[in-house]
Amino acid sequence: SQQGEEDPQALSIQEGENATMNCSYKTSINNLQWYRQNSGRGLVHLILIRSNEREKHSGRLRVTLDTSKKSSSLLITASRAADTASYFCALLFQGAQKLVFGQGTRLTINP
Amino acid sequence: SAVISQKPSRDICQRGTSLTIQCQVDSQVTMMFWYRQQPGQSLTLIATANQGSEATYESGFVIDKFPISRPNLTFSTLTVSNMSPEDSSIYLCSVFTRGLNNEQFFGPGTRLTVL
Repeated sequence: SQQGEEDPQALSIQEGENATMNCSYKTSINNLQWYRQNSGRGLVHLILIRSNEREKHSGRLRVTLDTSKKSSSLLITASRAADTASYFCALLFQGAQKLVFGQGTRLTINP
Repeated sequence: SAVISQKPSRDICQRGTSLTIQCQVDSQVTMMFWYRQQPGQSLTLIATANQGSEATYESGFVIDKFPISRPNLTFSTLTVSNMSPEDSSIYLCSVFTRGLNNEQFFGPGTRLTVL
């Protein structure tokens, strides 16, 4: 089915540590996008990775994509309290014109 | 990128009433999307709003409950009709950017509480 599965559902780490969250899917994608949402506010677009890409970086963010395993990871390095938020992966499946969202990972950075 | 604004940002409504949410984009876009995010949940697509044609609704959403207008390429409205407490959610509009990236951007959302 066309949906994304994220894990963990919740993650709590100390400031300065790295945070990794994962997104898996079952059918072929065109691209995968990661978003951040603070306290029920609007979504902030973080990174888009296309199906022919394996890794992308943006500041302290690193996204990998393994199409053979149908999975992606978002790594946040040197975490800060301001990184506390929910993170969602969203998939654009091949042949589709709409994003399908995963259930999200709630990240808490403890000072 | 696209800059998207929504009005109102939040509202508290009585059951049985209707609320119309406006979405304005700073550039012309072909497709606009309306999402619902229930408390503590992920985003669910309600419908795709195309200029010049009727909106396309996802399974579980109907036009009578969520009528949509799309009068031009920069504006859309979503109405939540005959509201009940179960409609309490954040409603977000979204657009794709054109070109190589196909990134999707979201408005700030409208937080609706139905009493």
